Amino acid sequence: DTGVSQDPRHKITKRGQNVTFRCDPISEHNRLYWYRQTLGQGPEFLTYFQNEAQLEKSRLLSDRFSAERPKGSFSTLEIQRTEQGDSAMYLCASSLGQRGYTFGSGTRLTVV
Amino acid sequence: KNEVEQSPQNLTAQEGEFITINCSYSVGISALHWLQQHPGGGIVSLFMLSSGKKKHGRLIATINIQEKHSSLHITASHPRDSAVYICAVHSSGNTGKLIFGQGTTLQVKP
Repeated sequence: DTGVSQDPRHKITKRGQNVTFRCDPISEHNRLYWYRQTLGQGPEFLTYFQNEAQLEKSRLLSDRFSAERPKGSFSTLEIQRTEQGDSAMYLCASSLGQRGYTFGSGTRLTVV
Repeated sequence: KNEVEQSPQNLTAQEGEFITINCSYSVGISALHWLQQHPGGGIVSLFMLSSGKKKHGRLIATINIQEKHSSLHITASHPRDSAVYICAVHSSGNTGKLIFGQGTTLQVKP
């Protein structure tokens, strides 16, 4: 297992476009998390899944954001009608319960 | 006030110095992580602890649950230790989500 993989590493998009990011967690991990990190700040929680169920969503996750984990394995995070304020690093992490917490390298989104 | 506060925000040290980074939190927790983040974004978990003290190489992490405080110590610091160190807590309730401090940027000069 190569850890948590995120794709793409970098994404530049024009304001108003839709973007989708993918996260492949460690295979035996049942929990998957999405966080957002802006420059100079610690990450902020967006949402998490236990298996395929989305159990919690942050107020930060506006209705332009949607996340799925259809088969309890990989997850996608989609942002519709991107705004400049969406520019950030989007981090994915996975764990087995609270153990083995592992982060991906992140997807850096720039909205121009 | 943030639920997880770190100090200092920035720290510059000379190679070989003993370094301490502090973390205070205001919520009930089930565990606390110390994380390391290098430029480019990747985050690595250094320690997860819920009581006492853990040691790994030159790194030592302690936690005092009653005082809601944790410290990360680096002995014999080296320029390769330069990174952002982040304290993050699992709030009580077993959701697994982390609440992060704002990070401490450490620069170790040769």
